[in-house]
Amino acid sequence: AQSVTQLGSHVSVSEGALVLLRCNYSSSVPPYLFWYVQYPNQGLQLLLKYTSAATLVKGINGFEAEFKKSETSFHLTKPSAHMSDAAEYFCAAHGAGSYQLTFGKGTKLSVIP
Amino acid sequence: EAGVAQSPRYKIIEKRQSVAFWCNPISGHATLYWYQQILGQGPKLLIQFQNNGVVDDSQLPKDRFSAERLKGVDSTLKIQPAKLEDSAVYLCASSLGAPAGETQYFGPGTRLLVL
Repeated sequence: AQSVTQLGSHVSVSEGALVLLRCNYSSSVPPYLFWYVQYPNQGLQLLLKYTSAATLVKGINGFEAEFKKSETSFHLTKPSAHMSDAAEYFCAAHGAGSYQLTFGKGTKLSVIP
Repeated sequence: EAGVAQSPRYKIIEKRQSVAFWCNPISGHATLYWYQQILGQGPKLLIQFQNNGVVDDSQLPKDRFSAERLKGVDSTLKIQPAKLEDSAVYLCASSLGAPAGETQYFGPGTRLLVL
């Protein structure tokens, strides 16, 4: 079964600083990987996804993530944090043989002015 | 394009009462999902429909939870009777189909508090 681990339940960065949110998956077969963002009292919105094409995936709002098979990681980055990036971020995955999306526990990002 | 609609947005009930949530997916989306998101955790899939058939309900507590998707469009999720541990946000999502890597689009969720 697929599992997803997000390191750090809460990350704080200064406005303009680099954002790095970590995600590791467990799978012997490269899965399909997703990053979603959730603003307070809203549903999840897709930021980007990896589906075995380019390993560097660009998403919305200036975010990108790199799939590293050797490290079983799919970390999310953004060069310069903006106040509007404050939200909770979820990494998710499913394997080729399963449609069930498994989510990590989420990382809450705070942006300090 | 309208997104996934859910109602009600908030519900407070006492334990042992029943409750129902409604979801209207994006037009044309064949696959519909219900997730439970407990505070501090990621969403957990409860049930997945493909048109009006159940694809996966392995994590649905069938002794108290039920769901249906009549005519392959709207869906309802019911809890009867509710327990304290059912307090959570219930998210509905939909996708065009269910191939690998398909994007799921989420509604705003229904926040349930069981007292």
